[in-house]
Amino acid sequence: GAVVSQHPSRVICKSGTSVKIECRSLDFQATTMFWYRQFPKKSLMLMATSNEGSKATYEQGVEKDKFLINHASLTLSTLTVTSAHPEDSSFYICSARRGLGVAGELFFGEGSRLTVL
Amino acid sequence: AQTVTQSQPEMSVQEAETVTLSCTYDTSESDYYLFWYKQPPSRQMILVIRQEAYKQQNATENRFSVNFQKAAKSFSLKISDSQLGDAAMYFCAYRYNAGKSTFGDGTTLTVKP
Repeated sequence: GAVVSQHPSRVICKSGTSVKIECRSLDFQATTMFWYRQFPKKSLMLMATSNEGSKATYEQGVEKDKFLINHASLTLSTLTVTSAHPEDSSFYICSARRGLGVAGELFFGEGSRLTVL
Repeated sequence: AQTVTQSQPEMSVQEAETVTLSCTYDTSESDYYLFWYKQPPSRQMILVIRQEAYKQQNATENRFSVNFQKAAKSFSLKISDSQLGDAAMYFCAYRYNAGKSTFGDGTTLTVKP
């Protein structure tokens, strides 16, 4: 199956610093990637849709200035948590869609655990 | 807005037995996709099975099968001959527009040896 890789898998940072998380589709081109946030034993909450070459589309309630998303190539999307605070601590997951539209198959990254001290 | 409800936060099954995880959803659309994903302790989500709403036949993948009741908006997952490796959190998901998926809250499945 297709592989999507996230890096780093774990990151600890101090409050006020910025953290970048990368999501790569290793064996297919993904025009669309999605970023989710997951709290312990909870569902995935969609944060934004990342489209290659254009601005990300954020879900309601997600601060676009805090969670910067860049999708500069067909295999890489990045999520930057700016001026991170302890409440931003969470598990962040990306997915990449192979194929077009609603029928395209989603492949998920391994997730990144962010801890803000 | 579309919603997905998994009413069973936790389920357990004896190894080699069968277990059914329930999922209901709410939508006004007629053409959509439904999915079951598995998230083991390693945390990477993997697709278990998918169902196209326009297909009446229930999807099956080896030991995994679904009972899709479109009128009732129900989409349950049956795991036959449960194995220890099936232990994970299972998410039901709905997808309609632009590939955005709505996930249920998940069901944690424990498999007892």
